[in-house]
Amino acid sequence: DGGITQSPKYLFRKEGQNVTLSCEQNLNHDAMYWYRQDPGQGLRLIYYSQIVNDFQKGDIAEGYSVSREKKESFPLTVTSAQKNPTAFYLCASSMGALNQETQYFGPGTRLLVL
Amino acid sequence: AQTVTQSQPEMSVQEAETVTLSCTYDTSESDYYLFWYKQPPSRQMILVIRQEAYKQQNATENRFSVNFQKAAKSFSLKISDSQLGDAAMYFCAYGGAQKLVFGQGTRLTINP
Repeated sequence: DGGITQSPKYLFRKEGQNVTLSCEQNLNHDAMYWYRQDPGQGLRLIYYSQIVNDFQKGDIAEGYSVSREKKESFPLTVTSAQKNPTAFYLCASSMGALNQETQYFGPGTRLLVL
Repeated sequence: AQTVTQSQPEMSVQEAETVTLSCTYDTSESDYYLFWYKQPPSRQMILVIRQEAYKQQNATENRFSVNFQKAAKSFSLKISDSQLGDAAMYFCAYGGAQKLVFGQGTRLTINP
């Protein structure tokens, strides 16, 4: 089955710790995205990548980092610099890089701070 | 910058009835796409319907249809014959030259 997988489903972070959220897609999509969703709010773009080995900051990139070494994978690292990381994180992909392309989403990862 | 506004934080409808969710957007672009996404309790975002701005005909997908008014910058979603499985958060989104912009969402409750 083609789709987007995210792991883990739940993630706990201790103070000062970096954690990495996984996102994998087998849709052969060029573009991938990371969004953050806080309670009662819409989605905010953290980072996006239009092609392998290239990525751009979104609206709320501070405290986050990404890599795009393979077309299928776009992991997100939440660093200790992100002071309020508790949120729901969604990964998405689209066929092309244009924002007129439909984005397809993974099941999400909920990050909680201990 | 483009903005998307969903003025109804919550809506409810009786099962089998019809409900309309509102969405307005602000843009100076002429070429863009509009989307409605559904987020059920599982929290996975699911595409409901998509509309190309250059098309005058309103998009439909089974029980879901849109009323796209380009001049008014309005993009409402109509759900006919509402079912219990339609209960979810619904997000309107604008896709133009830059990033996809989401509204704040409308929580839809279906009353049996």
